[in-house]
Amino acid sequence: GNSVTQMEGPVTLSEEAFLTINCTYTATGYPSLFWYVQYPGEGLQLLLKATKADDKGSNKGFEATYRKETTSFHLEKGSVQVSDSAVYFCALSTQGAQKLVFGQGTRLTINP
Amino acid sequence: EPEVTQTPSHQVTQMGQEVILRCVPISNHLYFYWYRQILGQKVEFLVSFYNNEISEKSEIFDDQFSVERPDGSNFTLKIRSTKLEDSAMYFCASSSRQLNGYTFGSGTRLTVV
Repeated sequence: GNSVTQMEGPVTLSEEAFLTINCTYTATGYPSLFWYVQYPGEGLQLLLKATKADDKGSNKGFEATYRKETTSFHLEKGSVQVSDSAVYFCALSTQGAQKLVFGQGTRLTINP
Repeated sequence: EPEVTQTPSHQVTQMGQEVILRCVPISNHLYFYWYRQILGQKVEFLVSFYNNEISEKSEIFDDQFSVERPDGSNFTLKIRSTKLEDSAMYFCASSSRQLNGYTFGSGTRLTVV
């Protein structure tokens, strides 16, 4: 079946550090890939997405590249801020499906 | 920016009781969803709803669960007889097109005691 695996958290970094959160997937066909973010007390917000191989999604300084050969969609940011502290979820959807399949989430804490 | 609104934010209920979780999707959206997240586990799909009927549901969504769009604005999830293992955060979402532009609510934390 379809599944998403994220690196285990929590992840704690200092401000301005480089961030990578790993995400790999298993899917039939050619899924679309997403990163969602959940700030404290809020809902899940779409951070970025990519719909085909080699696409790069980007938003708010975050980037992720759809790598079909390694079935990965790692999230990166060059210089994190305290305000990036949140839980990050990698997710996929497959053609014709109604639903998103989520990873387990990675809690990120950025210290000043 | 339009929001999906969920009420209540936290509900405590006794095992065996019925509970209704409420959601107000974005007004021009046509697709509606419920997901849940048991503490420390993955966000899991429960059900999708389009054109006044369920379009897809997961194995979790058994006979104890039902969804309804009772009027033009609300979208509800009912659990008929709650169990301890139903304790979770429940997220409602809506979209204008299938899987495009999903907007999630901030969730209802359900605690079954």
